[in-house]
Amino acid sequence: SQQGEEDPQALSIQEGENATMNCSYKTSINNLQWYRQNSGRGLVHLILIRSNEREKHSGRLRVTLDTSKKSSSLLITASRAADTASYFCATDARSGNQFYFGTGTSLTVIP
Amino acid sequence: NAGVTQTPKFQVLKTGQSMTLQCAQDMNHNSMYWYRQDPGMGLRLIYYSASEGTTDKGEVPNGYNVSRLNKREFSLRLESAAPSQTSVYFCASSEYTYEQYFGPGTRLTVT
Repeated sequence: SQQGEEDPQALSIQEGENATMNCSYKTSINNLQWYRQNSGRGLVHLILIRSNEREKHSGRLRVTLDTSKKSSSLLITASRAADTASYFCATDARSGNQFYFGTGTSLTVIP
Repeated sequence: NAGVTQTPKFQVLKTGQSMTLQCAQDMNHNSMYWYRQDPGMGLRLIYYSASEGTTDKGEVPNGYNVSRLNKREFSLRLESAAPSQTSVYFCASSEYTYEQYFGPGTRLTVT
């Protein structure tokens, strides 16, 4: 079974608004990553947050991690039409060298 | 610097046929991965190779075999294709469980 699950499954917002998506996972992790996938393409890494970090920023992205709740959130501020994509969280298993991906959030930014 | 390359981009097989998906990376990464992505689902790990000379099963290994030919190349073989293996296949590489770099994917249809 997959380690992570994103919420919501789909999100539609107006350009300029903020988009927030959440990820929950099941077991202890070393780090959590967020990826973006444009339609028909491979995944692109956005940001990595380690288990001992609570918050991380990269440009318009803000990621939080709550290991006690086994959850993370990705905030995209001032969204643009080009942010339209699917977003996935991925966790590694403390015991091995595997990544587990969630089912993704499909974000649509309306110009 | 091409990153991760995959061949072929598209393939149609009849049930029972075999084929090998090729993947190569030029980033000198130790770890390589094969995933499948089905509609509405995240990526599921088929096999991975933590380092040259080692391979391990992931979440959905049945019906597949892999070969880590050298540090650069990691191939995925379907010995007897089945319609349930219709999917998009992604190869990825990383340095341990840090950022993964993905190939463009192979769209496989089994009729």
